[in-house]
Amino acid sequence: NAGVTQTPKFRILKIGQSMTLQCTQDMNHNYMYWYRQDPGMGLKLIYYSVGAGITDKGEVPNGYNVSRSTTEDFPLRLELAAPSQTSVYFCASSLSGMDGRYTFGSGTRLTVV
Amino acid sequence: GIQVEQSPPDLILQEGANSTLRCNFSDSVNNLQWFHQNPWGQLINLFYIPSGTKQNGRLSATTVATERYSLLYISSSQTTDSGVYFCAGTGSGGSYIPTFGRGTSLIVHP
Repeated sequence: NAGVTQTPKFRILKIGQSMTLQCTQDMNHNYMYWYRQDPGMGLKLIYYSVGAGITDKGEVPNGYNVSRSTTEDFPLRLELAAPSQTSVYFCASSLSGMDGRYTFGSGTRLTVV
Repeated sequence: GIQVEQSPPDLILQEGANSTLRCNFSDSVNNLQWFHQNPWGQLINLFYIPSGTKQNGRLSATTVATERYSLLYISSSQTTDSGVYFCAGTGSGGSYIPTFGRGTSLIVHP
């Protein structure tokens, strides 16, 4: 099993550009999550999904969009990138709410200049 | 949602020393987990420990959910233990979205 796969690993964007961070899991997990981690800080939840077709906002959703058309994929879209979105982005998944064991992807380091 | 407080925020050890990291919650906690973020940024799930005690090699964890805390023990620390340790848990109010602590930064010197 590959677990949770994130692409790309690194990206530099110019202000105002857009991009999609990809996240795929092969564990048939229902719950998926996107977090951002700023230097020296903890994890902040951006969006999450409890199943295909269902998404909800987390703590810091502004400037981001998500979709969940399949169980496996949970892409994060950045529109009109801003320097404040410079961060490391982690995708995670868990089987369910009752079994909340997290598996994290390896992260995407994004710099907006 | 619940509040999560981790202590200490920073810890510096000599190789071979033992340590205890603590995680306090503002309410009864479910789905408690401990993670290690290594110096390269990778997040590894160490323990899924809603209650009781588990051991994995030199690491062990104990959760007392009704007392709203969990402890992570590291024995005979090694330089590879360096990194940041996070705990996370869900409250009993029906939300299944975990809240993460701010982490304990551990440096183990050879």
